[in-house]
Amino acid sequence: GAVVSQHPSWVICKSGTSVKIECRSLDFQATTMFWYRQFPKQSLMLMATSNEGSKATYEQGVEKDKFLINHASLTLSTLTVTSAHPEDSSFYICSARDPRGTGDNEQFFGPGTRLTVL
Amino acid sequence: LAKTTQPISMDSYEGQEVNITCSHNNIATNDYITWYQQFPSQGPRFIIQGYKTKVTNEVASLFIPADRKSSTLSLPRVSLSDTAVYYCLVGPLTGGGNKLTFGTGTQLKVEL
Repeated sequence: GAVVSQHPSWVICKSGTSVKIECRSLDFQATTMFWYRQFPKQSLMLMATSNEGSKATYEQGVEKDKFLINHASLTLSTLTVTSAHPEDSSFYICSARDPRGTGDNEQFFGPGTRLTVL
Repeated sequence: LAKTTQPISMDSYEGQEVNITCSHNNIATNDYITWYQQFPSQGPRFIIQGYKTKVTNEVASLFIPADRKSSTLSLPRVSLSDTAVYYCLVGPLTGGGNKLTFGTGTQLKVEL
């Protein structure tokens, strides 16, 4: 199946700094990518929909100025956590659907990025 | 998107068949049922998808009754490596722009 990668796989930063997470579709082009956040023992929560060449669509309650999303190409979306604080510590996961798919509603997820803010 | 209800957890032993049922009473006519598997500290992985009756692939079967208000994921002869969280999602097939809403999922624990 299609492959989605994320970088870095984990990051530790000091409170107040900004962290950028990259999501890449390695063998397909994705006009739309999705960003999720997952806290320990909880389900995935959709944060925003990343649209290539246009602004991201944020879910209710997600601060767009804090979680900056850029989707500059058909294979790369980035999520920047600005002025990170300990409560932003979480597992961030991106996903995309391969447009060459068979018609199933299958989305391919990245391996996730573990963010720890000290 | 239709809300789903699953058991929080299930336990099984290696070699057993595991059936995880998901309730989705408000499923819409154009909604499909999709199951994902997630291991700790990894992104979810697509398992199977269906609209009605039965769907089978190399890893699982999906049973959907005529009223489509529930569905059952069947994992034949589970092994320790099947220990994971299983999510049932319901939503339309609308192409690349459709977003997924994850419920609480079912934590399956397989023991020797």
